Amino acid sequence: AQSVTQLGSHVSVSEGALVLLRCNYSSSVPPYLFWYVQYPNQGLQLLLKYTSAATLVKGINGFEAEFKKSETSFHLTKPSAHMSDAAEYFCAAKNTGGFKTIFGAGTRLFVKA
Amino acid sequence: NAGVMQNPRHLVRRRGQEARLRCSPMKGHSHVYWYRQLPEEGLKFMVYLQKENIIDESGMPKERFSAEFPKEGPSILRIQQVVRGDSAAYFCASSPSRDEQYFGPGTRLTVT
Repeated sequence: AQSVTQLGSHVSVSEGALVLLRCNYSSSVPPYLFWYVQYPNQGLQLLLKYTSAATLVKGINGFEAEFKKSETSFHLTKPSAHMSDAAEYFCAAKNTGGFKTIFGAGTRLFVKA
Repeated sequence: NAGVMQNPRHLVRRRGQEARLRCSPMKGHSHVYWYRQLPEEGLKFMVYLQKENIIDESGMPKERFSAEFPKEGPSILRIQQVVRGDSAAYFCASSPSRDEQYFGPGTRLTVT
């Protein structure tokens, strides 16, 4: 069965520092991959998605993620953290042609002034 | 184009009562998904519906939980005889196809 693992339930960075949130998936066939952001008491907002086109995917708010098949990874990065980036981030995977989306447990990002 | 709407946003029920959660998908979306999120956890798939059809309910508890997506009106997630363990945030997502999903703001259910 497919699974999504997010390394680190909490990540803390200083404002202006690099943000790196890790995500690994388990699947024999590369799935579609997504990153979502959730602000307190809100639903999930799609940041970016990988659907087997370019391996480097750019999303909203300056985030990007790189699909690495050899590492079965899809880590999320942002060069310079902003206070407004503090939120919970979820990595998710879906088999191509399927419909069931599997979510990781989430990583809460803290941004220090 | 309005986003996915869910109501109520907060729902308090006593043990044994029924909870009805509503989800209105985005205009033109015929695919609806329900997820449950427990504190400090990710979202867990519950059920996938298309208009008038349940496509996959493998994530739904076998008892007390049911879902529908009628031809007219919102999708409903119904929990009968709620217990404390049902307290969670329930999210609905809609999609025009089987690709990316658009999430509603969620309903936070508290069972007292």
